[in-house]
Amino acid sequence: GAVVSQHPSWVICKSGTSVKIECRSLDFQATTMFWYRQFPKQSLMLMATSNEGSKATYEQGVEKDKFLINHASLTLSTLTVTSAHPEDSSFYICSATQGSDYGYTFGSGTRLTVV
Amino acid sequence: SQKIEQNSEALNIQEGKTATLTCNYTNYSPAYLQWYRQDPGRGPVFLLLIRENEKEKRKERLKVTFDTTLKQSLFHITASQPADSATYLCALLYNFNKFYFGSGTKLNVKP
Repeated sequence: GAVVSQHPSWVICKSGTSVKIECRSLDFQATTMFWYRQFPKQSLMLMATSNEGSKATYEQGVEKDKFLINHASLTLSTLTVTSAHPEDSSFYICSATQGSDYGYTFGSGTRLTVV
Repeated sequence: SQKIEQNSEALNIQEGKTATLTCNYTNYSPAYLQWYRQDPGRGPVFLLLIRENEKEKRKERLKVTFDTTLKQSLFHITASQPADSATYLCALLYNFNKFYFGSGTKLNVKP
């Protein structure tokens, strides 16, 4: 089946630094990938839609200058949290799909802790 | 805005019984409704998909129903096992490639 690999699985960084999270589709090409954030005991919140070769589409309330998304190839999307602050600490998850009939495959998530 | 409601209280059942989880939504019906399983600290795993013109879908011990009149989907796990214990999320797909999750219901299956 389809596999989406996300790296790193956890990261601790100092306030004010930037962190890059990678999302790769391993056995299929994904022109579109999605980035979510999930706080404890809450639902996944869609942050942005990453489009290969073009700009990402951000959901309302998500700062595009803070959460930089790059989708340089059909198998890789990256999310960079710039100038991270403790309130950015969360669980970040990416997903992609082979087509709407297949459901969406999620990465294993990245636990970001900003200290 | 669209609202998706899942019971926030955990569902506790005995092994071997059928677990039934509910997903209610407001406003307009989605093109697709999906159910996912999420274990702590992991990304969701796709289980089943049902289209707006389908009433019911089955996969092994799983069954999903979709009632666009009631704006509700039910997710059933028959002959439940302790390994089925997890949080189950429903997700509604609107527009092309954009969908939204409910907050999930935690299922505890006791041996």
